[in-house]
Amino acid sequence: GAVVSQHPSRVICKSGTSVKIECRSLDFQATTMFWYRQFPKQSLMLMATSNEGSKATYEQGVEKDKFLINHASLTLSTLTVTSAHPEDSSFYICSASTALAPGRETQYFGPGTRLLVL
Amino acid sequence: DAKTTQPNSMESNEEEPVHLPCNHSTISGTDYIHWYRQLPSQGPEYVIHGLTSNVNNRMASLAIAEDRKSSTLILHRATLRDAAVYYCILSLDTGRRALTFGSGTRLQVQP
Repeated sequence: GAVVSQHPSRVICKSGTSVKIECRSLDFQATTMFWYRQFPKQSLMLMATSNEGSKATYEQGVEKDKFLINHASLTLSTLTVTSAHPEDSSFYICSASTALAPGRETQYFGPGTRLLVL
Repeated sequence: DAKTTQPNSMESNEEEPVHLPCNHSTISGTDYIHWYRQLPSQGPEYVIHGLTSNVNNRMASLAIAEDRKSSTLILHRATLRDAAVYYCILSLDTGRRALTFGSGTRLQVQP
């Protein structure tokens, strides 16, 4: 199956600093990528939908100026957590889709990035 | 997207079949039924999906009720590596729409 990578897999940063997380589709082109966040013992929550070459669409309650998303190519999307605070500590997961005909496509998820803000 | 209902947890013994149920009574005619699973500290992994007919792949089988208001994910021989949270998700178009994750079913597999 298709492979999606994330980098870094784990990051620890100081409060107030910015952290960039990369999401790459390794063997397919993804016109759409999604960013999710997962807190301990909870399910995944969608943060934003990212389409190549256009601005991301953010879910209600997700600050677009704090979580900057760039989808510059068909294989790379980045999420930058700006001025990180301890409450931003979470497991960040991206996914990319093979946009085939409806019902034929699936979403492939990255392995996740665990962010700890001290 | 229509809502799904799954048991919070299930237990199985290794090498026995596992049937994971999912109710989706408000499913629309164009919703596909997707199953993903998430192993500890990993991103979700695609398992299987279908529309009306039962589906089989190397990982599992998907049995869909005739009225489509419920489905069952079948793991034919559970292994310890199958211990994960299994999510049943309805989606019209996962190529362009995000998946809505519920709480899923946490499967424990006993040796």
